[in-house]
Amino acid sequence: DAGVTQSPTHLIKTRGQQVTLRCSPKSGHDTVSWYQQALGQGPQFIFQYYEEEERQRGNFPDRFSGHQFPNYSSELNVNALLLGDSALYLCASSLDSLSYEQYFGPGTRLTVT
Amino acid sequence: KNQVEQSPQSLIILEGKNCTLQCNYTVSPFSNLRWYKQDTGRGPVSLTIMTFSENTKSNGRYTATLDADTKQSSLHITASQLSDSASYICVVLSGGSQGNLIFGKGTKLSVKP
Repeated sequence: DAGVTQSPTHLIKTRGQQVTLRCSPKSGHDTVSWYQQALGQGPQFIFQYYEEEERQRGNFPDRFSGHQFPNYSSELNVNALLLGDSALYLCASSLDSLSYEQYFGPGTRLTVT
Repeated sequence: KNQVEQSPQSLIILEGKNCTLQCNYTVSPFSNLRWYKQDTGRGPVSLTIMTFSENTKSNGRYTATLDADTKQSSLHITASQLSDSASYICVVLSGGSQGNLIFGKGTKLSVKP
């Protein structure tokens, strides 16, 4: 049973560019959440997708957008990259409720130069 | 304001020794509290989830306690191993129809031989 997978593992982009990160949830999970984790900090909630709709959103600008596909996989898009967007981006999947345990993927390390 | 604070920020112990990490939260309403272990550059892995009515929960050499009255939790690691070197993150799920996960910044544990 595959756990949460994310791609790519590492990514280097230039300021102003756009990036797309991908996540496949754990088998049987239908809810995907995205987090940004700066070095030495705890994860910060970006948004959560359920039934292909954004259900909740954290305090992130509109440059951060997402999508969930019918197979529950998800994408995180970031436009007009800033140096401060450099971070580990984590995807977590769960059943339809935050009360259930969240399973995290290995993350995508984004470096903006 | 909902907050989760962890102490100490970092900790160095010798292999074989025990240690205790602390988590204080001001989250209301409270739903559950989770401890995660995060290896450097990897996604967090769940250790325990505790609800309001649970005082203690163990997972191998990891034992978490919860005092809902004082809003404090601790994670005790017994007979530490080199592989315990990681960040340990305390996360509280707030209750309500749209619960939010509030993350602490983590305690970075280094186990030395």
